[in-house]
This record gives sequence, structure tokens and C-alpha cells, in this order.
Amino acid sequence: GNSVTQMEGPVTLSEEAFLTINCTYTATGYPSLFWYVQYPGEGLQLLLKATKADDKGSNKGFEATYRKETTSFHLEKGSVQVSDSAVYFCALSVGGTSYGKLTFGQGTILTVHP
Amino acid sequence: DAGITQSPRYKITETGRQVTLMCHQTWSHSYMFWYRQDLGHGLRLIYYSAAADITDKGEVPDGYVVSRSKTENFPLTLESATRSQTSVYFCASEGSGANVLTFGAGSRLTVL
Repeated sequence: GNSVTQMEGPVTLSEEAFLTINCTYTATGYPSLFWYVQYPGEGLQLLLKATKADDKGSNKGFEATYRKETTSFHLEKGSVQVSDSAVYFCALSVGGTSYGKLTFGQGTILTVHP
Repeated sequence: DAGITQSPRYKITETGRQVTLMCHQTWSHSYMFWYRQDLGHGLRLIYYSAAADITDKGEVPDGYVVSRSKTENFPLTLESATRSQTSVYFCASEGSGANVLTFGAGSRLTVL
């Protein structure tokens, strides 16, 4: 079956620190990979995605590269802000006609202090 | 209002009661989904629908019933609630070819 494993949280950083959240996956077929973010009291929002090997997704200073050889999709940001405090979810979809049947990781809570 | 709305946002019920969580989207998206969010599990797919009158099971469908008589609505019913169904429930929709889900704000359900 499909599964996604994220690094254990919570992660606490100071503003302007470098962020890495690790994500590895197992999948039958050829998945698309996603990072979703959930701000307090809200639903999830797509942060970035990559649909094939070596693709790099990027948005709002966050980046992640689809590494097929290591089955990984690690999230990085060079300088975090307090406003980045949220829960981050790595997810995969094996597609078909919809990208909505997602398998999620357990989520990583990020807290950024001024 | 445009978007995807869930109701109620908060619900407390008792074991054995029937509960229906509502989901409404204004975009006429083909696909709609129900996920539950539990600590340590991330989100898990309960049911999804590809179009009106077409529904299918996800990863954790037991104890839940869905229907989709209209494209814009996708209610989730717990016919006899159990404590293990205490969770936050998220509805989401996806337009054809959109490749991205839009989530509602969630419904927090507590079963006593």
C-alpha cells in the first residue's frame, strides 16, 4: 500500500532560521507529491506540489524536490518567519482522474519564535 | 458566499446518536471528499465522490454513510456515533483537471 512518513515534531525555530521537514514515501505506481499547510483553526491549503521525478515545487519561499531514488520530498525554507507557524503535511496521490485521493503523513507542527 | 462551507463547525453528541455533517461547494466541482483528522494519523480518507450519484469508499469508511444527490452537496452521516468517531472532519473538492484540493474549515465532532 501507500504510506508517507514525516519527521517527528514539533519543530521550534527562531525567526530567520533554516527549516527542513523530512518526508519519505512508499507507493504503488508513480505518485504525485504534495505539501499542505494548516494554519490554526483553518482547513488545509496546498503549499506546493511535484508530479514527476526531479521536479521542484516552490511557493512562498518554500521548496521541495521530488527524489525518486531516495523516495523523498523534503520541505525546506531558507529563512522562516513567525507567520510560518502552522502544521505541515506531506502527502501523495497515485492519480488516475483525480489528485484528491491523498495519503497523508502525520503532520509536523512548526512554531517560529521572534 | 463562494467557496466550500461545512456545518456545523462544532458538534457534541452522545454515543448511538445519528449525526450528519454537511458540506456545500459553489464551484460545481466534480470531485468531493471527506477526510478525518486525528492526532498522530494525519488525515485519512473516509469517502469520496466523482460526481452526483457516484460515491466510493476511502481508507476508513466503516460507520459512515454518504450521499450525493446534487453536485454541490456531499453530506456525511454517522448513523450510530461511537467515541472512536470523535475527530475533526474535513470536506474538500476538486475541479476536473484542477490537480489540487480545496478544503473546508472543518467540523469538530465530539462523541460522549
